[in-house]
Amino acid sequence: EVQLVESGGGLVQPGGSLRLSCAASGFTFTNYAMSWVRQAPGKGLEWVSVISGNGVTTYYTDSVKGRFTISRDNSKNTLYLQMNSLRAEDTAVYYCAKRPDYSITWYCFDYWGQGTLVTVSS
Amino acid sequence: QSALTQPPSASGSPGQSVTISCTGTSSDVGGYNYVSWYQQHPGKAPKLMIYEVTKRPSGVPDRFSGSKSGNTASLTVSGLQAEDEADYYCSSNAGSNNLVFGGGTKLTVL
Repeated sequence: EVQLVESGGGLVQPGGSLRLSCAASGFTFTNYAMSWVRQAPGKGLEWVSVISGNGVTTYYTDSVKGRFTISRDNSKNTLYLQMNSLRAEDTAVYYCAKRPDYSITWYCFDYWGQGTLVTVSS
Repeated sequence: QSALTQPPSASGSPGQSVTISCTGTSSDVGGYNYVSWYQQHPGKAPKLMIYEVTKRPSGVPDRFSGSKSGNTASLTVSGLQAEDEADYYCSSNAGSNNLVFGGGTKLTVL
């Protein structure tokens, strides 16, 4: 059974840093691109970043470029999101998500974690 | 990249059909066949309902169908059931390895 379990969220002051983790199980982690998607309270979904299965290729939405870094440790089946220079508008539930077996692209997600809440406030 | 445009709300009675639109541009919805639809119940993670415009993952009822015309994609839910009441989000790749979501539509089953 595929499981994605996020952790690392919490309250952080503006300008601070936080590292999120997503522990994956139930599938061959290294074979799949993985993404982070966030959802501000009461708002819609926003794609944040994606990383290829081998960790070489990464992409980001414009609003987090230069501040967030996505990475993965395939030996630990874990995805990360290092968030620096955090702003109030980064407050959201952050989900990690996996590409489906049946899609050759990373543009859709068949499994999502339960999410971890990041609150940026003084 | 701008969010795709969805109506904030939609509704229908049990057994009826309802269609939710998702409007983008030729740089996203109109330019690629990578539109997806997600269902999200309150406090839950999104669930993939449609991918690549018209394809339905295993386990998703065939009451859910997707289509696209020009820069607008649509999700149709036929034979509405109470459990279909949820928020629905579309997404599309937007070139340059970007993915954009719609603002979401709250579907109410009357």
